[in-house]
Amino acid sequence: DAKTTQPPSMDCAEGRAANLPCNHSTISGNEYVYWYRQIHSQGPQYIIHGLKNNETNEMASLIITEDRKSSTLILPHATLRDTAVYYCIVRERTGNQFYFGTGTSLTVIP
Amino acid sequence: NAGVTQTPKFQVLKTGQSMTLQCAQDMNHEYMSWYRQDPGMGLRLIHYSVGAGITDQGEVPNGYNVSRSTTEDFPLRLLSAAPSQTSVYFCASSYDFVGNSPLHFGNGTRLTVT
Repeated sequence: DAKTTQPPSMDCAEGRAANLPCNHSTISGNEYVYWYRQIHSQGPQYIIHGLKNNETNEMASLIITEDRKSSTLILPHATLRDTAVYYCIVRERTGNQFYFGTGTSLTVIP
Repeated sequence: NAGVTQTPKFQVLKTGQSMTLQCAQDMNHEYMSWYRQDPGMGLRLIHYSVGAGITDQGEVPNGYNVSRSTTEDFPLRLLSAAPSQTSVYFCASSYDFVGNSPLHFGNGTRLTVT
């Protein structure tokens, strides 16, 4: 599986968009990009995933570059409850395993 | 739906004791897995299963055993607990093992080995 690189921490003002970057320069054509978040020590929560196209759901948007070497998770209107560690993961099409890195600690500031 | 249920939530063991961490899902998911998370670190895969009767090792399998006799349950056994196994353990499941199937996590078991 390809590995990912994320900044260790970011801040975002409440009500503004939070843009979390992820580098996955060694991703292969059959690997999906997933985003999860973990609040305190709870179980990771699924946010969104995609293969090639940009995706949007009720929580967030996922923008994947055309060469698929990087992606950005966008939380359109960050709230204090979005303060969490965000993990970017790549998973094979026949992916038995998810590989988690250390993620980005996002702090939403009032 | 309860989703993924882990028991117990907290456990303290003495070195050398054995125990089983329970994991059950009610979503009819084929794929189940166990992760551990140490302070300040990401999750590391211990064991996984792609269906009843099939298990395989992940990144850090030593000291742990698993079995999958039913689709719903995937217990994790610590044979002889060691302080290095102090961690938070998460069970996760997904509909199948292909890449387009999100993992759903339980809320974890916090294990301390003294």
